[in-house]
Order: sequence, then structure tokens, then C-alpha cells
Amino acid sequence: DTEVTQTPKHLVMGMTNKKSLKCEQHMGHRAMYWYKQKAKKPPELMFVYSYEKLSINESVPSRFSPECPNSSLLNLHLHALQPEDSALYLCASTKRGAGLGTEAFFGQGTRLTVV
Amino acid sequence: KNEVEQSPQNLTAQEGEFITINCSYSVGISALHWLQQHPGGGIVSLFMLSSGKKKHGRLIATINIQEKHSSLHITASHPRDSAVYICAADLNSGGSNYKLTFGKGTLLTVNP
Repeated sequence: DTEVTQTPKHLVMGMTNKKSLKCEQHMGHRAMYWYKQKAKKPPELMFVYSYEKLSINESVPSRFSPECPNSSLLNLHLHALQPEDSALYLCASTKRGAGLGTEAFFGQGTRLTVV
Repeated sequence: KNEVEQSPQNLTAQEGEFITINCSYSVGISALHWLQQHPGGGIVSLFMLSSGKKKHGRLIATINIQEKHSSLHITASHPRDSAVYICAADLNSGGSNYKLTFGKGTLLTVNP
């Protein structure tokens, strides 16, 4: 299994809603990532979890709250989002996070629309 | 200046043509990745390179560490190759975390 699975594929939410994005991998990877991608732009790193611990937060607003309950699962909890948060949210995983040139596996993304 | 530069930004080809996309970077790297993204879709990793050359089907990726340059070639291009191709570098951050620095992508359109 060399897949990173993201659910849901599409999500429309109001600005007062609370929702969660889910990412799962069963490759034994110990580093997992959330990226945000706006149209026609490259992905922007949001969070990195390494061995289930948050190791990078790229100054992301607190309305985005990541969680890594175990080594296979990564969640992104969303609350009180703004329309400008509408984007494709991508999850990725790597075998390890030591900057040693490991292959990155990406999910298909969740297309989020905030109304 | 972005640490990873790609060219061209847009590329249109006729089916069957040989295609080259270039990527240059300005700092030391642990590895360089070539990624593919179809419109509205997720990202697929095509290659990860730290030296030399790799081939997978009609795709070939090369890297010259001394010149800080990599190329992605597509032989016998096909309309299904139409996508955005992204070069991403794993910079020598010296830390314990893995951060990719992305190029802006090359939008490839292959016409039948």
C-alpha cells in the first residue's frame, strides 16, 4: 500500500462551522505534513508532524488545528474559517523527516470551499 | 528570488514531441523531486533524485549537482501528459525536519 488517503474529497462549510479533514497512510512513514494550495500556486507548508509530535507550525492561524492521534493518521480541525481559506488541502508523508532526501507521497487533497 | 526556479512556465506541444522542463536551484540540496499535478487533482511523485539520472517509462529525470540544475524529459508526449509539473528541492536545512521548497510549476499542454 503506497497511498495517502484523504477524506473528504470535497468540503463546503460555513464560517461558523466546525469540520475536520482526515489523512491516512499505512506505509509506516513517521513524518506527515499538511499543505495548503491556492489555484495556480505551489503548495505552502502548514504543519509537519514527526513521530507523532508537531515539529513545524508555519505560523498558521489558530483556526486550523492539527492532530496526529497515531503514526498512521493525521487530522486537520477547522473552525471559524474565512472565505480566503478556500483552497486545496494536501496531506503528504515521508519515511522519515531528517532532510535526507526521502520520497514524498501526497494524497489527492480535499477541495475546501468556505461560504 | 525563489530558491527553486523552473522554466518554462507554460509549454504547449504536439503529440509525439520530445519535451524538456528545466529546474535550477541556488543552494545545496539533499534531493530534488519532480511532481505531477493534473488540474484540480492531487500530487503524484514522479522522481526523487540526488544524483545522475532516472527513467520511468517515457519519463527521464536528470540532475547535475555541480551546476545545480535538473531536467525532466518526456519522450513521445501524449495528451494525457498534460498537467502541471513541479520541481521541489529538499534543501540542506541542517535540521531534523524535512521541508520541500517548490518551484512555481510548468503547465504542460499536449495537443493531439
